[in-house]
Amino acid sequence: SQKIEQNSEALNIQEGKTATLTCNYTNYSPAYLQWYRQDPGRGPVFLLLIRENEKEKRKERLKVTFDTTLKQSLFHITASQPADSATYLCALASSGNTPLVFGKGTRLSVIA
Amino acid sequence: SAVISQKPSRDICQRGTSLTIQCQVDSQVTMMFWYRQQPGQSLTLIATANQGSEATYESGFVIDKFPISRPNLTFSTLTVSNMSPEDSSIYLCSASPGSNEKLFFGSGTQLSVL
Repeated sequence: SQKIEQNSEALNIQEGKTATLTCNYTNYSPAYLQWYRQDPGRGPVFLLLIRENEKEKRKERLKVTFDTTLKQSLFHITASQPADSATYLCALASSGNTPLVFGKGTRLSVIA
Repeated sequence: SAVISQKPSRDICQRGTSLTIQCQVDSQVTMMFWYRQQPGQSLTLIATANQGSEATYESGFVIDKFPISRPNLTFSTLTVSNMSPEDSSIYLCSASPGSNEKLFFGSGTQLSVL
């Protein structure tokens, strides 16, 4: 069956360090993979999208990699700040017309 | 971008009753979706709300339990019918101006069923 796994439920990291979150999937052939941020009591907010033919994408302090051979995406936040503390969700879809499927998320805590 | 207003933000309901959740988008969007998020779980897609036609439901969700309306390109409602405590969850409306390459979400409706 299809499955999306995010490496851990929670990740604690010291301010200033790089946070790395992992998203693994099985039995999917995604056209693209997305990362969202969700704060308590709020809906998810889109951060980045990376397509199957892209290896890496960056946006400010964020970097996403996508390895379709390993069936894995890594999400990096460099120079992490306490304001980065949130739950980060990965999501993927086989095409623009198929439903987006979400992982459970990883709760990141950046400690000052 | 799209700003989504969802209401109510929370409600406490009695078993056997129904609740209708409203979702208003500040611009016309092609796609609207309803998700459920149970504590510690991922977002689960309930259905795609289709403008002018019946919603497309995912496996495990049926129209009698979760009727959906979408009368135009900016508005949709989700009704949770004949509620039981198992329906207690956060319900999220989302929308996309084009494909599902970037979804915008409402703040969600926290539903508790007693």
